[in-house]
Amino acid sequence: QVQLQESGPGLVKPSQTLSLTCTVSGGAITSDSYYWSWIRQPAGKGLEWIGRIYVSGGTNYNPSLKSRVTISVDTSKRQFSLKLTSVTAADTAVYYCAREGGSGNYYRPDSWGQGTLVTVSS
Amino acid sequence: DIQMTQSPSSLSASVGDRVTITCRASQGIGIYLAWFQQRPGEVPKLLMYAASTLQSGVPSRFSGSGSGTDFTLTISSLQPEDVATYYCQKYDSAPRTFGQGTKVEIK
Repeated sequence: QVQLQESGPGLVKPSQTLSLTCTVSGGAITSDSYYWSWIRQPAGKGLEWIGRIYVSGGTNYNPSLKSRVTISVDTSKRQFSLKLTSVTAADTAVYYCAREGGSGNYYRPDSWGQGTLVTVSS
Repeated sequence: DIQMTQSPSSLSASVGDRVTITCRASQGIGIYLAWFQQRPGEVPKLLMYAASTLQSGVPSRFSGSGSGTDFTLTISSLQPEDVATYYCQKYDSAPRTFGQGTKVEIK
């Protein structure tokens, strides 16, 4: 069974770059059956889809964050990563990495990491 | 972008009650709608996809229906372990927008 684990700094200063990594185990990150995505959730609020990457490197981003987001993949390390630039307090949230499974163009998040809290504060 | 609107925002029901949550898309999304359950303090869990297909391991008291713009998640007999916030998500195209959530409590 696939497992995903987020890692990265829990505290980021305003205007700096948030960087997180998700390590995949128990399943092939190179499989063409999956996308690898990032989702976040501010405390007490709902879920926001950030974006996703395919093993080929193709990406889709949420338009509301697109100018600040980069998602990349390192298949040799079985990892994919999130970079969010110019952060503000509004970016404080639990960040989840997730696997999207499906077929055709229709992929949904079927496995999630445990989430990591990132706080933006000076 | 397509917006997803859930109703109600919260509900309280008795154990054994039938519970229905609605999700409406601002434009048609076919059947590409998933439902997630997030128990307090836990990670979201996929319950349903393709509007009505139960994810493996999910109890059969959960069911889903709908297509186009209107979808429902039904719990046929509410159990204490169903206390959670439920989210719908469209996945026909990017961005994969979520609904705002419906909090289900036991009366």
